[in-house]
Amino acid sequence: ETGVTQSPTHLIKTRGQQVTLRCSSQSGHNTVSWYQQALGQGPQFIFQYYREEENGRGNFPPRFSGLQFPNYSSELNVNALELDDSALYLCASSCGGRASTDTQYFGPGTRLTVL
Amino acid sequence: AQRVTQPEKLLSVFKGAPVELKCNYSYSGSPELFWYVQYSRQRLQLLLRHISRESIKGFTADLNKGETSFHLKKPFAQEEDSAMYYCALSRNRDDKIIFGKGTRLHILP
Repeated sequence: ETGVTQSPTHLIKTRGQQVTLRCSSQSGHNTVSWYQQALGQGPQFIFQYYREEENGRGNFPPRFSGLQFPNYSSELNVNALELDDSALYLCASSCGGRASTDTQYFGPGTRLTVL
Repeated sequence: AQRVTQPEKLLSVFKGAPVELKCNYSYSGSPELFWYVQYSRQRLQLLLRHISRESIKGFTADLNKGETSFHLKKPFAQEEDSAMYYCALSRNRDDKIIFGKGTRLHILP
């Protein structure tokens, strides 16, 4: 059984650019959640995808968007990057269907720096 | 709005001493509560959830609805308990998880 992987590990972008972060779910998991973790803060829920459809969204603007693919890998896209988008982005997969609270398995994160 | 408060950013405890990591929440309903842990250079992982009423690695947590608290406790700290601990809440089984800011637990030898 392979764990959750994320790519890239680190990324540096400039304000106004767009970025795509990728997540490969744990084998057999059909649900993926994305979180933003700013320095010194706990993870903040961005959104969740279940079977390729968005299944709940946190308090993030529309420039944060996502995709989930048939193989259950997923992407987080952020347009028009702002300095405050600098953070660690975590994805977590689970096999709980629409329930967001079934055990989530987290990836190592992607560290995004916006200059 | 729902909120999770962890009042201590850092807690230092001697090995063998009891540990209590505080967590308070604000939500008028009956939430689901969790503790997550992140050991050095490891991923965030679920430690325990209140509905399971289980003890993991010697840790327990009791939901106190009157005080809206979900403190994490362990009677005898071990050096391997040093980690970052996050308390988290969900309004119901289908809702998002809200995390606190975390408490760094440092076990002194």
